[in-house]
Amino acid sequence: DAKTTQPNSMESNEEEPVHLPCNHSTISGTDYIHWYRQLPSQGPEYVIHGLTSNVNNRMASLAIAEDRKSSTLILHRATLRDAAVYYCILRTNTNAGKSTFGDGTTLTVKP
Amino acid sequence: SQTIHQWPATLVQPVGSPLSLECTVEGTSNPNLYWYRQAAGRGLQLLFYSVGIGQISSEVPQNLSASRPQDRQFILSSKKLLLSDSGFYLCAWSVLRGTLLFFGSGTQLSVL
Repeated sequence: DAKTTQPNSMESNEEEPVHLPCNHSTISGTDYIHWYRQLPSQGPEYVIHGLTSNVNNRMASLAIAEDRKSSTLILHRATLRDAAVYYCILRTNTNAGKSTFGDGTTLTVKP
Repeated sequence: SQTIHQWPATLVQPVGSPLSLECTVEGTSNPNLYWYRQAAGRGLQLLFYSVGIGQISSEVPQNLSASRPQDRQFILSSKKLLLSDSGFYLCAWSVLRGTLLFFGSGTQLSVL
Protein backbone atom coordinates (compact mmCIF):
# COMPACT_ATOMS: atom_id res chain seq x y z
CA ASP A 1 0.00 0.00 0.00
CA ALA A 2 1.21 3.46 -0.83
CA LYS A 3 2.13 5.53 2.22
CA THR A 4 1.42 9.13 3.15
CA THR A 5 3.47 11.56 5.22
CA GLN A 6 1.97 14.33 7.34
CA PRO A 7 3.33 16.74 9.96
CA ASN A 8 2.70 15.53 13.50
CA SER A 9 0.98 18.71 14.63
CA MET A 10 -0.21 22.11 13.51
CA GLU A 11 -1.74 25.10 15.21
CA SER A 12 -4.23 27.63 13.98
CA ASN A 13 -6.15 30.57 15.32
CA GLU A 14 -9.91 30.48 15.29
CA GLU A 15 -11.51 32.03 12.21
CA GLU A 16 -8.27 31.75 10.20
CA PRO A 17 -7.65 29.39 7.27
CA VAL A 18 -5.71 26.17 7.85
CA HIS A 19 -3.68 24.31 5.25
CA LEU A 20 -2.85 20.72 6.18
CA PRO A 21 -0.25 19.16 3.89
CA CYS A 22 0.19 15.54 2.88
CA ASN A 23 2.89 13.88 0.79
CA HIS A 24 2.18 10.71 -1.16
CA SER A 25 5.08 10.36 -3.56
CA THR A 26 4.38 6.68 -4.36
CA ILE A 27 0.74 7.23 -5.31
CA SER A 28 -0.54 5.05 -8.13
CA GLY A 29 -2.95 5.97 -10.88
CA THR A 30 -5.89 4.23 -9.22
CA ASP A 31 -5.38 5.76 -5.78
CA TYR A 32 -7.90 8.28 -4.50
CA ILE A 33 -6.69 10.79 -1.91
CA HIS A 34 -8.91 10.74 1.14
CA TRP A 35 -9.02 12.86 4.25
CA TYR A 36 -10.63 11.80 7.53
CA ARG A 37 -10.65 13.43 10.91
CA GLN A 38 -10.99 11.94 14.35
CA LEU A 39 -12.14 13.47 17.59
CA PRO A 40 -11.03 11.89 20.88
CA SER A 41 -12.67 8.55 21.64
CA GLN A 42 -14.61 8.58 18.36
CA GLY A 43 -14.27 6.84 15.05
CA PRO A 44 -12.79 8.81 12.15
CA GLU A 45 -15.22 10.68 9.94
CA TYR A 46 -14.90 11.33 6.24
CA VAL A 47 -13.95 14.85 5.24
CA ILE A 48 -13.22 14.91 1.53
CA HIS A 49 -11.60 12.95 -1.27
CA GLY A 50 -10.38 13.43 -4.81
CA LEU A 51 -8.50 11.82 -7.65
CA THR A 52 -6.91 14.51 -9.80
CA SER A 53 -8.92 17.70 -9.66
CA ASN A 54 -9.37 20.03 -6.71
CA VAL A 55 -12.53 19.37 -4.73
CA ASN A 56 -14.78 21.47 -2.54
CA ASN A 57 -17.51 20.47 -0.13
CA ARG A 58 -19.25 22.04 2.83
CA MET A 59 -16.51 20.95 5.21
CA ALA A 60 -13.31 21.71 3.35
CA SER A 61 -11.40 22.00 0.10
CA LEU A 62 -8.82 19.61 -1.28
CA ALA A 63 -6.01 20.89 -3.45
CA ILE A 64 -4.15 18.19 -5.38
CA ALA A 65 -0.76 18.82 -6.94
CA GLU A 66 -0.51 18.38 -10.66
CA ASP A 67 1.79 15.36 -10.29
CA ARG A 68 -0.49 14.02 -7.51
CA LYS A 69 2.45 13.46 -5.22
CA SER A 70 1.09 15.83 -2.61
CA SER A 71 -2.18 17.36 -1.52
CA THR A 72 -3.46 19.97 0.91
CA LEU A 73 -6.62 19.97 2.97
CA ILE A 74 -7.90 23.49 3.39
CA LEU A 75 -10.22 24.53 6.19
CA HIS A 76 -11.31 28.00 5.19
CA ARG A 77 -12.20 29.28 8.64
CA ALA A 78 -11.07 27.11 11.52
CA THR A 79 -13.40 26.74 14.45
CA LEU A 80 -12.78 25.16 17.82
CA ARG A 81 -14.80 22.17 16.64
CA ASP A 82 -12.21 21.56 13.90
CA ALA A 83 -9.61 20.58 16.50
CA ALA A 84 -8.96 16.93 15.73
CA VAL A 85 -6.47 14.48 14.27
CA TYR A 86 -6.55 14.65 10.48
CA TYR A 87 -5.56 11.63 8.42
CA CYS A 88 -4.59 11.65 4.79
CA ILE A 89 -4.83 8.19 3.24
CA LEU A 90 -4.84 6.65 -0.21
CA ARG A 91 -7.65 4.35 -1.23
CA THR A 92 -8.30 2.32 -4.32
CA ASN A 93 -11.40 0.41 -5.33
CA THR A 94 -9.30 -2.66 -6.00
CA ASN A 95 -7.51 -4.97 -3.58
CA ALA A 96 -10.37 -4.73 -1.07
CA GLY A 97 -9.62 -1.06 -0.59
CA LYS A 98 -6.98 -1.64 2.06
CA SER A 99 -5.54 1.59 3.41
CA THR A 100 -2.62 2.45 5.63
CA PHE A 101 -3.26 5.14 8.22
CA GLY A 102 -0.25 7.03 9.53
CA ASP A 103 -0.29 8.96 12.78
CA GLY A 104 -2.02 11.93 11.17
CA THR A 105 -1.77 15.63 12.00
CA THR A 106 -3.10 16.87 15.31
CA LEU A 107 -4.70 20.24 14.67
CA THR A 108 -4.98 22.61 17.62
CA VAL A 109 -7.26 25.63 17.20
CA LYS A 110 -6.64 28.53 19.51
CA PRO A 111 -9.47 30.91 20.41
CA SER B 1 -29.44 5.32 4.89
CA GLN B 2 -26.53 3.18 5.97
CA THR B 3 -25.51 2.84 9.59
CA ILE B 4 -22.84 0.90 11.41
CA HIS B 5 -23.24 -0.40 14.93
CA GLN B 6 -20.36 -1.45 17.12
CA TRP B 7 -20.53 -2.64 20.70
CA PRO B 8 -19.71 -2.49 23.49
CA ALA B 9 -18.33 1.04 23.77
CA THR B 10 -15.96 0.14 26.60
CA LEU B 11 -14.74 -3.17 27.90
CA VAL B 12 -12.44 -4.15 30.74
CA GLN B 13 -11.24 -7.73 30.63
CA PRO B 14 -8.70 -9.72 32.64
CA VAL B 15 -5.67 -11.24 30.98
CA GLY B 16 -6.45 -14.70 29.65
CA SER B 17 -10.17 -14.10 29.22
CA PRO B 18 -11.93 -14.44 25.85
CA LEU B 19 -13.08 -11.55 23.67
CA SER B 20 -15.91 -11.00 21.27
CA LEU B 21 -16.58 -7.63 19.64
CA GLU B 22 -19.43 -7.34 17.20
CA CYS B 23 -20.06 -4.98 14.34
CA THR B 24 -23.13 -4.82 12.12
CA VAL B 25 -23.93 -2.67 9.12
CA GLU B 26 -27.41 -1.73 8.02
CA GLY B 27 -28.73 -0.32 4.79
CA THR B 28 -26.26 -1.85 2.37
CA SER B 29 -25.42 -5.23 0.89
CA ASN B 30 -22.14 -7.04 0.37
CA PRO B 31 -19.95 -4.39 1.96
CA ASN B 32 -16.22 -4.64 2.51
CA LEU B 33 -15.68 -4.86 6.28
CA TYR B 34 -12.62 -3.90 8.30
CA TRP B 35 -11.28 -4.14 11.84
CA TYR B 36 -8.72 -1.53 12.90
CA ARG B 37 -6.89 -1.08 16.18
CA GLN B 38 -5.54 2.19 17.49
CA ALA B 39 -3.00 2.58 20.26
CA ALA B 40 -3.19 5.74 22.33
CA GLY B 41 -1.99 8.74 20.34
CA ARG B 42 -1.27 6.69 17.23
CA GLY B 43 -2.82 6.01 13.87
CA LEU B 44 -5.04 3.13 12.85
CA GLN B 45 -3.60 -0.31 12.22
CA LEU B 46 -5.58 -2.55 9.89
CA LEU B 47 -6.11 -5.94 11.54
CA PHE B 48 -8.56 -7.78 9.28
CA TYR B 49 -10.67 -7.15 6.24
CA SER B 50 -13.40 -9.12 4.52
CA VAL B 51 -14.85 -8.90 1.03
CA GLY B 52 -17.60 -11.47 1.63
CA ILE B 53 -19.16 -14.02 3.97
CA GLY B 54 -16.52 -16.35 5.35
CA GLN B 55 -13.72 -14.48 3.56
CA ILE B 56 -11.25 -13.05 6.05
CA SER B 57 -7.81 -11.64 5.39
CA SER B 58 -5.40 -10.93 8.21
CA GLU B 59 -2.96 -8.08 7.95
CA VAL B 60 -0.97 -8.54 11.13
CA PRO B 61 -0.07 -11.76 12.97
CA GLN B 62 -1.57 -11.53 16.41
CA ASN B 63 -3.65 -13.03 19.15
CA LEU B 64 -6.91 -12.10 17.46
CA SER B 65 -9.20 -13.62 14.85
CA ALA B 66 -12.15 -12.36 12.84
CA SER B 67 -15.22 -13.96 11.38
CA ARG B 68 -18.02 -12.89 9.07
CA PRO B 69 -20.93 -15.25 9.64
CA GLN B 70 -23.43 -13.03 7.83
CA ASP B 71 -23.15 -10.48 5.05
CA ARG B 72 -23.34 -7.46 7.34
CA GLN B 73 -21.86 -8.88 10.54
CA PHE B 74 -18.19 -8.80 11.45
CA ILE B 75 -16.85 -10.26 14.69
CA LEU B 76 -13.46 -9.82 16.32
CA SER B 77 -12.46 -12.54 18.76
CA SER B 78 -9.72 -13.80 20.98
CA LYS B 79 -9.50 -17.01 23.01
CA LYS B 80 -7.10 -15.55 25.58
CA LEU B 81 -6.47 -11.84 25.85
CA LEU B 82 -3.00 -10.42 26.39
CA LEU B 83 -2.07 -7.10 27.95
CA SER B 84 -0.88 -5.96 24.53
CA ASP B 85 -4.40 -6.41 23.12
CA SER B 86 -5.51 -3.25 24.90
CA GLY B 87 -6.50 -0.46 22.55
CA PHE B 88 -9.28 1.29 20.69
CA TYR B 89 -10.92 -1.07 18.20
CA LEU B 90 -12.75 0.30 15.22
CA CYS B 91 -14.98 -1.42 12.73
CA ALA B 92 -15.47 0.13 9.31
CA TRP B 93 -17.18 -0.62 6.04
CA SER B 94 -17.04 0.48 2.45
CA VAL B 95 -19.16 -0.22 -0.58
CA LEU B 96 -17.80 -3.10 -2.64
CA ARG B 97 -15.38 -1.52 -5.08
CA GLY B 98 -16.01 1.85 -3.45
CA THR B 99 -13.46 4.00 -1.71
CA LEU B 100 -15.26 5.84 1.09
CA LEU B 101 -14.73 4.37 4.55
CA PHE B 102 -17.41 4.61 7.22
CA PHE B 103 -16.37 3.95 10.80
CA GLY B 104 -18.19 2.75 13.86
CA SER B 105 -17.91 4.55 17.18
CA GLY B 106 -15.24 2.19 18.49
CA THR B 107 -14.64 -0.05 21.50
CA GLN B 108 -12.10 0.94 24.12
CA LEU B 109 -10.64 -2.34 25.38
CA SER B 110 -8.56 -2.44 28.53
CA VAL B 111 -6.90 -5.72 29.41
CA LEU B 112 -5.78 -5.82 33.03
